[in-house]
Amino acid sequence: TQLLEQSPQFLSIQEGENLTVYCNSSSVFSSLQWYRQEPGEGPVLLVTVVTGGEVKKLKRLTFQFGDARKDSSLHITAAQPGDTGLYLCAGEEGNTGKLIFGQGTTLQVKP
Amino acid sequence: EAGVAQSPRYKIIEKRQSVAFWCNPISGHATLYWYQQILGQGPKLLIQFQNNGVVDDSQLPKDRFSAERLKGVDSTLKIQPAKLEDSAVYLCASSLDSFAGARNEQFFGPGTRLTVL
Repeated sequence: TQLLEQSPQFLSIQEGENLTVYCNSSSVFSSLQWYRQEPGEGPVLLVTVVTGGEVKKLKRLTFQFGDARKDSSLHITAAQPGDTGLYLCAGEEGNTGKLIFGQGTTLQVKP
Repeated sequence: EAGVAQSPRYKIIEKRQSVAFWCNPISGHATLYWYQQILGQGPKLLIQFQNNGVVDDSQLPKDRFSAERLKGVDSTLKIQPAKLEDSAVYLCASSLDSFAGARNEQFFGPGTRLTVL
């Protein structure tokens, strides 16, 4: 069974600080997705990375896929209170659409 | 465009009782997924349908859980009988086509929060 380990599990920072969330596995995934989930809602897709070494930017968020397609990182610059939420990485097995989720990183940004 | 609809939003039952959840995916989406999300964890796939056929149900506890997707549209997930450890949020998601690779974005519903007492 493929597993994804996210770290840290909890992060509490002040507004304006930078942070990085890591997603690691011993398995290769065909793609890796990052989701954000707010309380009482389902996860919402932020980005999909497909190619090893790929870097994608979404405003203040930067996503990177490892060269070997086993790990990924999410970097947030100048965090804002609106960034508060649960961040989930998910790896796709083959091209089946089946996603393996990490356990999530709970981010709290204090004003 | 309407999103994925789920009902009920909340359900409280006692152990050994039965419960059913309903999901209406986005129109035109061939693939439908049911996930279980226990507090503090990421979602775990229970079952994946492509139209009305099952693609993957390897993590579905088949002694107590069942799911169907009649006519390839709506789906129901049933638990009978429920156990305390079934307390979780049950998420439904849909996508255009699970075999579309990176173009296959999953859209999630708001989930049903189940509490088993």
